[in-house]
Order: sequence, then C-alpha cells, then structure tokens
Amino acid sequence: DQQVKQNSPSLSVQEGRISILNCDYTNSMFDYFLWYKKYPAEGPTFLISISSIKDKNEDGRFTVFLNKSAKHLSLHIVPSQPGDSAVYFCAASASDYKLSFGAGTTVTVRA
Amino acid sequence: DVKVTQSSRYLVKRTGEKVFLECVQDMDHENMFWYRQDPGLGLRLIYFSYDVKMKEKGDIPEGYSVSREKKERFSLILESASTNQTSMYLCASSFPGTSDITDTQYFGPGTRLTVL
Repeated sequence: DQQVKQNSPSLSVQEGRISILNCDYTNSMFDYFLWYKKYPAEGPTFLISISSIKDKNEDGRFTVFLNKSAKHLSLHIVPSQPGDSAVYFCAASASDYKLSFGAGTTVTVRA
Repeated sequence: DVKVTQSSRYLVKRTGEKVFLECVQDMDHENMFWYRQDPGLGLRLIYFSYDVKMKEKGDIPEGYSVSREKKERFSLILESASTNQTSMYLCASSFPGTSDITDTQYFGPGTRLTVL
C-alpha cells in the first residue's frame, strides 16, 4: 500500500509558465519531505526538501509547500525551463532513515 | 560532492542465473540502500544497511539478498534471477546522525537489468 501518492502521471507546461506538482501522503508519522528529479538513464538527484515544522521552503525557481492538515505537498517551478523536463518523485521520511517514494510525475516543458 | 557508483549501467542475464549488483560510495556514509524502479510504481525499497554487516529488509526483499562487508560497498544479490526482476536498480547512501540531513539520500546512476 503506497503511503505516498502522486496522482498525476504526467504534466505538460509551456516554457516560462509555472509547473505545479502535487503529492499526498497517508502516514501521519512522516516529518520530512523531499523532491527528487530524474532524467532518463540517470539516478534521481535531490532537488528540495521541507521539514514538517515548516509550511514553505524556497530554493531559486523551486518552492515546496506543505499542508500537514491535508497531508499534501506541492512543488512549484517558476519559470519552467526546457531542462526541467524530467520525472519528479515525491518522497517522505518518518526519521527512520528510510524514504517512501511516490510513483513519479513526468514533466514536459514545451518550447 | 557525494559520489555513488554502480558496477554496471546495463546488464542482461538469463533466468536462474545468480546476479551481483555492486554499489560503492565515497563519502563515508553509514546508510546504504537498494531500490528498484518500475513504471507506475516509483522507487521501492528492497534492502538497506545502516552499518557494516548490518542489513534490514525493505518493502520487497523476496528473491534478493545483500552483503555489506565494507562501509563503502553494498552489494545486491539476485539468488536465481527471474523475468519479473527485470527492472532499473538504484543504489543510494545517506549521512548518519539525527538531523534532517540524514534523510537526504544520494543515488547512483542505476543499473538496467534485463532477465531473459
């Protein structure tokens, strides 16, 4: 039973516009959340994270929002660039070293 | 920069063969992990290790075993490969400790295994 869900398998966005990726989780013990980006034939690379004591974290064009009451987080990419085309995985941890991953969302940025 | 390397990028094996996948990290990380990635399922944890010679089962350990004889090296073993083990295998490592940074895992490039 997947504890982390990304319900949109794909997202297509115009270059320069905002990309919004969503993630829901069921385990209330999760207290740390991460987003990873993966290009084909490469391993995932860490993108941005947020602790459960915060509701927002920004890093350049990337912002993650956390709504604990709704058990929902989202990743905003503004502005979207062609190099952002990749698979994005949401992950969560209950501070036990392990990460639970969602199924991923494939983002395509159109020129 | 953390570097996690995996012994092969692509591997083709036959059903019933014993398969070894090797992973090496160069940052003195305590924790190491093996995942498989399948379309629509994301990354699923097979096994992890939090110290030399220590291992714990993840979510899908059946058909796999692991070995960690040295801190920097974590091996995944498919005892008798089957076609349903065709997948992308990813190794990761993370820092020890109690801060949030311990949860950030660093991944290798992956091994695409095909079992015929």
